[in-house]
Amino acid sequence: GQNIDQPTEMTATEGAIVQINCTYQTSGFNGLFWYQQHAGEAPTFLSYNVLDGLEEKGRFSSFLSRSKGYSYLLLKELQMKDSASYLCAVVDSNYQLIWGAGTKLIIKP
Amino acid sequence: GAVVSQHPSWVICKSGTSVKIECRSLDFQATTMFWYRQFPKQSLMLMATSNEGSKATYEQGVEKDKFLINHASLTLSTLTVTSAHPEDSSFYICSARDLRESYNEQFFGPGTRLTVL
Repeated sequence: GQNIDQPTEMTATEGAIVQINCTYQTSGFNGLFWYQQHAGEAPTFLSYNVLDGLEEKGRFSSFLSRSKGYSYLLLKELQMKDSASYLCAVVDSNYQLIWGAGTKLIIKP
Repeated sequence: GAVVSQHPSWVICKSGTSVKIECRSLDFQATTMFWYRQFPKQSLMLMATSNEGSKATYEQGVEKDKFLINHASLTLSTLTVTSAHPEDSSFYICSARDLRESYNEQFFGPGTRLTVL
């Protein structure tokens, strides 16, 4: 079967750095997305990785290791508005998105 | 970026009635649209994949006769919840895939919150 694993919940302090991990086992791989979703809202795109390595975009970075079936989202200089759920999703061999259950990130002052 | 709209943003209806939700891609052509359902504190659950001009593909456990999907054009897909019941109350989100993009990003609509009394 296909499986995406990410922690259910994480807590971090405003101004700090947090890393949200995602591991996957899927039938084929055509890229990995990270989305941010605030409560009661639709997901918004954060990043896309298809090659190994680190992609940096402002305060957010995303890393991928295809051989390990592993990705992480790194958030720096945390702000209160970063409190949200972060969804990892993998594009499989049929170009379908396989979604993780999401990681709820709680930012404390 | 590509914009996807949904209408209505929220709806309250009586049990037994039918509700139609529209999903539109405003500035791009979407060959494929996806319908998701999300219950409180849970992740997105894909209900069906809709390709323009063809029948939708439903995920296991989703009743196709209850959740009618029509994708009549490259910019519009509709989801009709027929004979809605309180257990159908949920947050329904559509997303669309842009023909121009090569990496299969899905652009999400803002969602429709359905409450069935």
